[in-house]
Amino acid sequence: EVQLVESGGGLAKPGGSLRLSCAASGFTFSRAWMSWVRQAPGKGLEWVGRIKSENDGGTTDYAAPVKGRVVISRDDSRNILLLQLNGLKTEDTAVYYCTRDLVTGPMVYGFDFWGQGTPVTVSS
Amino acid sequence: SYQLTQGPSMSVSPGQTATITCSGEKLGDKYVCWYQQKPGHSPLLLIYQDNKRPSGIPERFSGSNSGTTATLTISETQAVDEADYYCQAWANSTDQVFGGGTKLTVL
Repeated sequence: EVQLVESGGGLAKPGGSLRLSCAASGFTFSRAWMSWVRQAPGKGLEWVGRIKSENDGGTTDYAAPVKGRVVISRDDSRNILLLQLNGLKTEDTAVYYCTRDLVTGPMVYGFDFWGQGTPVTVSS
Repeated sequence: SYQLTQGPSMSVSPGQTATITCSGEKLGDKYVCWYQQKPGHSPLLLIYQDNKRPSGIPERFSGSNSGTTATLTISETQAVDEADYYCQAWANSTDQVFGGGTKLTVL
């Protein structure tokens, strides 16, 4: 059974930093492309960024609103996905979901598994 | 930036067919997927690659995509289908974009 379990959310101050973790199990994590998706309170879904498998280059892509402030990384030895978000803004307040990309070749067709999410509140 | 537009809400009677639309420029040239999200829960992938269902998704859920509009159709709608529905597509070679979501009420 695929499981994605996020942790690390909480209250942070504007300008601060936060690191979120996602523990993956039930599939070959090292082969997976992984993404973070967030959802502000009462709002829709917003893709944050992705990291490809090391076999596919291990490269990252980030959404415009967070580019330059976010780093996504992975530890394949521990099956963990990480999200480091710096220069926090109040608009970063959201539930952050770890997701597995549904990939065929170079194409991502969606996100087929989601974690339960970890809430982040940015407030002074 | 690329945008996907969904109606904010709709209602349907139990047993009837619900049609939820998602529009975007040349959307028919992209692959679309759909998610269902119930209150307090994570999103669930319903449809990918326009019209494919992941294992375990009932046949009542179907999708299509042509021109500027993608459509999620829920046949024989049940009370359990009451949820928010989001479409999603690739905006370019790297970015994924979501629609704003449609709240489906079954009454």
